[in-house]
Amino acid sequence: QKEVEQDPGPLSVPEGAIVSLNCTYSNSAFQYFMWYRQYSRKGPELLMYTYSSGNKEDGRFTAQVDKSSKYISLFIRDSQPSDSATYLCAMSPISGGYNKLIFGAGTRLAVHP
Amino acid sequence: NAGVTQTPKFQVLKTGQSMTLQCAQDMNHNSMYWYRQDPGMGLRLIYYSASEGTTDKGEVPNGYNVSRLNKREFSLRLESAAPSQTSVYFCASSESGSQPQHFGDGTRLSIL
Repeated sequence: QKEVEQDPGPLSVPEGAIVSLNCTYSNSAFQYFMWYRQYSRKGPELLMYTYSSGNKEDGRFTAQVDKSSKYISLFIRDSQPSDSATYLCAMSPISGGYNKLIFGAGTRLAVHP
Repeated sequence: NAGVTQTPKFQVLKTGQSMTLQCAQDMNHNSMYWYRQDPGMGLRLIYYSASEGTTDKGEVPNGYNVSRLNKREFSLRLESAAPSQTSVYFCASSESGSQPQHFGDGTRLSIL
């Protein structure tokens, strides 16, 4: 079993829809949670960065962490064709001050006009 | 503002050839990382350098070596390339161990 599970999709939605992307994990030591967006033939770009449980909002994006269920989500409101990309969740324990990120395999999202 | 720069962007090698992938960051970050990305596998850490002068193995280090040349540069070497090393390689950097990582745009490597 992988430490981080993420539905690979693809997920296809119409422009303006609310998108929900999710990851589950098995390691209760994870404390930092991140979402990256990766366009085709580009490197991952940091979208959201949260510590512990709760919600964090940034414009049209909301990251949610539920540590009791070992479940994190990224919500995209009013989705746009420019949101079409692969979304990677990543998480990290803190051990000795080093950041060892564990990534999900990514969910491909397509937003069509 | 370049961020993390990787060279080359594409490369084709024959089995047994050697190659060094270059990475440089201009953000004055202390920590640097090398990952490989394969379909359905996500990003897997090959090696990392927590600070200048130190390197450590990640999840999949076999067949690779690294050099932290200075604070800006971190190179990845394949001594004898194998078809299983066909992948997209990403370099990343972070200010410290607890901060998020910033990625380059990758090197696409094919080994025949």
